[in-house]
Amino acid sequence: TQLLEQSPQFLSIQEGENLTVYCNSSSVFSSLQWYRQEPGEGPVLLVTVVTGGEVKKLKRLTFQFGDARKDSSLHITAAQPGDTGLYLCAGATGGGSNYKLTFGKGTLLTVNP
Amino acid sequence: GAVVSQHPSWVICKSGTSVKIECRSLDFQATTMFWYRQFPKQSLMLMATSNEGSKATYEQGVEKDKFLINHASLTLSTLTVTSAHPEDSSFYICSTMGLVTEQYFGPGTRLTVT
Repeated sequence: TQLLEQSPQFLSIQEGENLTVYCNSSSVFSSLQWYRQEPGEGPVLLVTVVTGGEVKKLKRLTFQFGDARKDSSLHITAAQPGDTGLYLCAGATGGGSNYKLTFGKGTLLTVNP
Repeated sequence: GAVVSQHPSWVICKSGTSVKIECRSLDFQATTMFWYRQFPKQSLMLMATSNEGSKATYEQGVEKDKFLINHASLTLSTLTVTSAHPEDSSFYICSTMGLVTEQYFGPGTRLTVT
């Protein structure tokens, strides 16, 4: 069973601060995805990283995939109240009928104005 | 990304009754859909993988006779919670798999069993 440890579980910061969320595993993933979920809604895909060492930027969000494809991080620069939400990482394993996503426990981010 | 809908968005039922939740892929044909369950303040837990035209693959600990999954077409998968009990109250979310193994999620269905 693949486990994905996500930290921190809760994060409350002031507007303008920077933050980093981490996802770590002992398992290798074929890809890793980051989602953001609002209360009462389904997760929305932010980014997919596939290659070890890959870095992707989405405006103020920077995503990195570890060289060994076992870990990933999400860095937000100058956080804004609109960034508030639940951030989930998910690692993909298997293929075809064996494909599955394993989710981390999530990071609940609150950005205070 | 893909557009996925779920119906109903919320449902309240009495203990012992059955509830059917629909998941539709609106803009492409999905041979594989996934069903997740999410309890309050927890992450998503995969329940089963729904394959069009064949039996679903259930995760360990998920009762296949209680959570009936039917994937009769490339755009529709249904999850039926049979003989529902209060402990089945949860947020049920489906997803479809797009290109490069990305998943696109529906808006979820809030089930409350009284």
